[in-house]
Amino acid sequence: GQQLNQSPQSMFIQEGEDVSMNCTSSSIFNTWLWYKQDPGEGPVLLIALYKAGELTSNGRLTAQFGITRKDSFLNISASIPSDVGIYFCAGSGQGAQKLVFGQGTRLTINP
Amino acid sequence: DAGVIQSPRHEVTEMGQEVTLRCKPISGHNSLFWYRQTMMRGLELLIYFNNNVPIDDSGMPEDRFSAKMPNASFSTLKIQPSEPRDSAVYFCASSPRGTGATGELFFGEGSRLTVL
Repeated sequence: GQQLNQSPQSMFIQEGEDVSMNCTSSSIFNTWLWYKQDPGEGPVLLIALYKAGELTSNGRLTAQFGITRKDSFLNISASIPSDVGIYFCAGSGQGAQKLVFGQGTRLTINP
Repeated sequence: DAGVIQSPRHEVTEMGQEVTLRCKPISGHNSLFWYRQTMMRGLELLIYFNNNVPIDDSGMPEDRFSAKMPNASFSTLKIQPSEPRDSAVYFCASSPRGTGATGELFFGEGSRLTVL
């Protein structure tokens, strides 16, 4: 079945630093999405990518759909305390409606 | 606008008891998903429905788990009998896109289940 490898598993950074995380899949994906989960809440969609090579921004967040269709990355610029949380990549392959989720990247920010 | 509504938010029960989790999807969304989240296994899809019809239940762990969607605005996930290894956060999510298209999921706040 489809599998996603997300890295790093955790990050400890200083406020103001940039952050980068990525996901790779064992097979070709047609859709990549990035979610953020705050403690005690459900994941919330940040960015959705539907086309290979697509680069999309949402404020300080930028995500790209890799041209091989087997990877995606998420960058956060100038991190702030409210960026703390767990970030998940998710994707699906051709003809598959259900999403596969990565294991998450836990972001901690030191003020 | 109301998002996905789940109840209960927290449930503590004893092994062997029946557990029923409830979900109200976002009005107008025609796909509904049940996920389970644990530290060890992350987010796992249990089952999803399109237009109230179960499409894929291959993620349901075993026969103790069952899910229903009697109408477009309500779904239940039932565990009977419950076991300590069922302890997890159970999320319901809905999507405005139906079969053949992968859409963004809108998650509820989850139901945290503890089975003693």
